Amino acid sequence: DIQMTQSPSTLSASVGDRVTITCRASQSITSWLAWYQQKPGKAPKLLISHASSLESGVPSRFSGSKSGTEFTLTISSLQPDDFATYYCQQYYTYSTFGQGTKVEIK
Amino acid sequence: QLQLQESGPGLVKPSETLSLTCTVSGGSISSSNSYWGWIRRPPGKGLEWFGTIYYTGSPYYNPSLKSRITIPLDTSKNQFSLRLSSVTDADTAVYYCARGVGGYGNFDYWGQGILVTVSS
Repeated sequence: DIQMTQSPSTLSASVGDRVTITCRASQSITSWLAWYQQKPGKAPKLLISHASSLESGVPSRFSGSKSGTEFTLTISSLQPDDFATYYCQQYYTYSTFGQGTKVEIK
Repeated sequence: QLQLQESGPGLVKPSETLSLTCTVSGGSISSSNSYWGWIRRPPGKGLEWFGTIYYTGSPYYNPSLKSRITIPLDTSKNQFSLRLSSVTDADTAVYYCARGVGGYGNFDYWGQGILVTVSS
């Protein structure tokens, strides 16, 4: 099984901060990685697919990158609407999600 | 606009079979090259992928759950379902249906989720 190690589990930040969330895969998944945002009581929202492809309608302050088996979600300037939990998902072999990163107000 | 809605019992007894249905509107589950999946989130935990069904009926199941799950299609009602057998309290979770992008792909449209509690 491919394991996805996501860090940190919680992140405290202020509006305007640059925020970085990391997911490390236990083996190569090439670029088969997605990022989701989930708010309480809501369904997850797909932000990025194929490691760095921004979904239609997602603000450009969100970006994704890859270095080997390490993947990063960056929010360039945190906005009030961005406080949520973020998940990565590999879909190279079967599908596995990371444990999530809660972005909370500092 | 594609919409998905989960339905089913909110309470299931241990050892019984959990059955949920996802009704799709604004699109057809029989559309060529379409995939439909189930994901859950146990309380206080992360997301877990159950499985995905291709519009032809070919399934892609999570190997750790494969012996307990089926995902049937009902094209006449534009619905797909989840059947999870022999449930325990570890199966208590919010269950989501979603449209998949590939058999093991990401999910671009989601239902709102339904809480299922396993308890006697």
